[in-house]
Amino acid sequence: AQKVTQAQTEISVVEKEDVTLDCVYETRDTTYYLFWYKQPPSGELVFLIRRNSFDEQNEISGRYSWNFQKSTSSFNFTITASQVVDSAVYFCALSEETSGTYKYIFGTGTRLKVLA
Amino acid sequence: NAGVTQTPKFRILKIGQSMTLQCTQDMNHNYMYWYRQDPGMGLKLIYYSVGAGITDKGEVPNGYNVSRSTTEDFPLRLELAAPSQTSVYFCATTGGETDTQYFGPGTRLTVL
Repeated sequence: AQKVTQAQTEISVVEKEDVTLDCVYETRDTTYYLFWYKQPPSGELVFLIRRNSFDEQNEISGRYSWNFQKSTSSFNFTITASQVVDSAVYFCALSEETSGTYKYIFGTGTRLKVLA
Repeated sequence: NAGVTQTPKFRILKIGQSMTLQCTQDMNHNYMYWYRQDPGMGLKLIYYSVGAGITDKGEVPNGYNVSRSTTEDFPLRLELAAPSQTSVYFCATTGGETDTQYFGPGTRLTVL
């Protein structure tokens, strides 16, 4: 079973629509970390957010917001009033301890297309 | 500060050739990582290092080797390139193992 599941392979929205990208994770650890990265068409990986397992407070940063729910093992990402520049692949990642050190496990990504 | 730099940006290899992908960071971070990203997939960990002189295998180490003689540099060596190694390779670094990883711009490698 995948440890980080991003079930939405591709989403298309029209500019100004809101869109939510889902991320479901699986871990037995009580201490772990969750991340979102953006990969625009240029290919680099841009860090968006880091959240530890003890902080379930939702976070808002401009048009971006994140909803972390331990009860459902989800860490969803919402873009409000989407723009064409939001078009990218978005990756969710889980960092948990494996063989004595923390390592990232990435989901397969969600490709977001924002149409003008 | 340049952050994390990777060279080359692109490379085409013939089957059986060897090459070294370079990764350099100026953030004075102890932890460094090599990932590969195959089309439509997430990133998979090849090797990582927790400091100079210390390296360990990740999820997909076969066909690769690494060394870490300095804090700044973490080269990835491909011996006997195979078409299955066609991928985009990312180097990453972090100051602490639970901290955020920051990625280089990637190297796109094609093996024909």
